[in-house]
Amino acid sequence: GQNIDQPTEMTATEGAIVQINCTYQTSGFNGLFWYQQHAGEAPTFLSYNVLDGLEEKGRFSSFLSRSKGYSYLLLKELQMKDSASYLCAVNSGGYNKLIFGAGTRLAVHP
Amino acid sequence: DADVTQTPRNRITKTGKRIMLECSQTKGHDRMYWYRQDPGLGLRLIYYSFDVKDINKGEISDGYSVSRQAQAKFSLSLESAIPNQTALYFCATSELSSTDTQYFGPGTRLTVL
Repeated sequence: GQNIDQPTEMTATEGAIVQINCTYQTSGFNGLFWYQQHAGEAPTFLSYNVLDGLEEKGRFSSFLSRSKGYSYLLLKELQMKDSASYLCAVNSGGYNKLIFGAGTRLAVHP
Repeated sequence: DADVTQTPRNRITKTGKRIMLECSQTKGHDRMYWYRQDPGLGLRLIYYSFDVKDINKGEISDGYSVSRQAQAKFSLSLESAIPNQTALYFCATSELSSTDTQYFGPGTRLTVL
């Protein structure tokens, strides 16, 4: 079967760093996406990894290890507006069919 | 103006009614998708279309149908709505590229009583 696991909820303090993990088991692999979704709103694209290693984009970084079926999203210098759900999604190959995890709800408190 | 729009944004209907959700995009993308989102579950793919003449079933297509009227328009229909179709529905688009990133519309909150 195809499965993507990520923690349900996390909390962190404003100004801190938080790491959100994602593990996956899929029949194929053609890239991993991270999306941010504020409550009741559309998911918005954050990052894409297809090769092993770290991709950095401002305060957000994403890491991928294909051999371990593992990725993480690192958020630095947390702000209150970062309170949202973070969705991990894998393109399992063929026709860009994304498989989504259930999402991690992050609460940032002062 | 938003690149991907959905109408209506909210809808309450009764069991057995036919409902159509519409999606339009100005991004010029060929690929369009319909997802539903339920609390505690990931986004699940209902149908997808890679061009006007191409329609494919996704993971959970039973009880749904779609129509790709033009490159920019992709509609989702519930022929006879039932309460377990109450969910948040998202349309998404993508273009053929190295990343094929999907871009989502604002969503339609559908409640079936």
